[in-house]
Amino acid sequence: KNQVEQSPQSLIILEGKNCTLQCNYTVSPFSNLRWYKQDTGRGPVSLTIMTFSENTKSNRRYTATLDADTKQSSLHITASQLSDSASYICVVSAGVTGGGNKLTFGTGTQLKVEL
Amino acid sequence: KAGVTQTPRYLIKTRGQQVTLSCSPISGHRSVSWYQQTPGQGLQFLFEYFSETQRNKGNFPGRFSGRQFSNSRSEMNVSTLELGDSALYLCASSWVSVNTEAFFGQGTRLTVV
Repeated sequence: KNQVEQSPQSLIILEGKNCTLQCNYTVSPFSNLRWYKQDTGRGPVSLTIMTFSENTKSNRRYTATLDADTKQSSLHITASQLSDSASYICVVSAGVTGGGNKLTFGTGTQLKVEL
Repeated sequence: KAGVTQTPRYLIKTRGQQVTLSCSPISGHRSVSWYQQTPGQGLQFLFEYFSETQRNKGNFPGRFSGRQFSNSRSEMNVSTLELGDSALYLCASSWVSVNTEAFFGQGTRLTVV
């Protein structure tokens, strides 16, 4: 069964500090891995998308890593801001016979940035 | 370029009723997928449509159905609503499939009373 597990479940950090969120997956066949940021009551917004051959990708203060051998990914947030307070969701895409893909979602890490 | 538009944003229905939600994808996108998000289960995949055909389906009962029109707009229908169907329903559009970049709408908040 395809699964995506994220840790920690929630995190509180002070503004300006860095943090790292973890994602472990058992999805096959692996197609790509994405990190999304979701503000409360809104739809998720894509931060990064990585394929099998990519092991790091950055988007402004967000840097995602992927280790396809250990099936682990991390999202590092640098110099956090109050606006980073949100749920961060790891999503893994698996190829499906006949075309298309199926997404498996992690339950997210709820990040709160405080003054 | 307009984003993914979902209507309505909020909806209150009574148990046993049916509901239809609408999703207009980004212009040129042909894949539309639907998701249910609840506090307990997180985001769960419902189904994906491409060129008016359902291409993938998640593990939801037959009460959940959808369709896609020739202009790529999609609707999702839930019949015989149950209290547990209360959730945020999100749709996402992609150029070709969910394997490419998926853009989400703001969602429809459905409350079943």
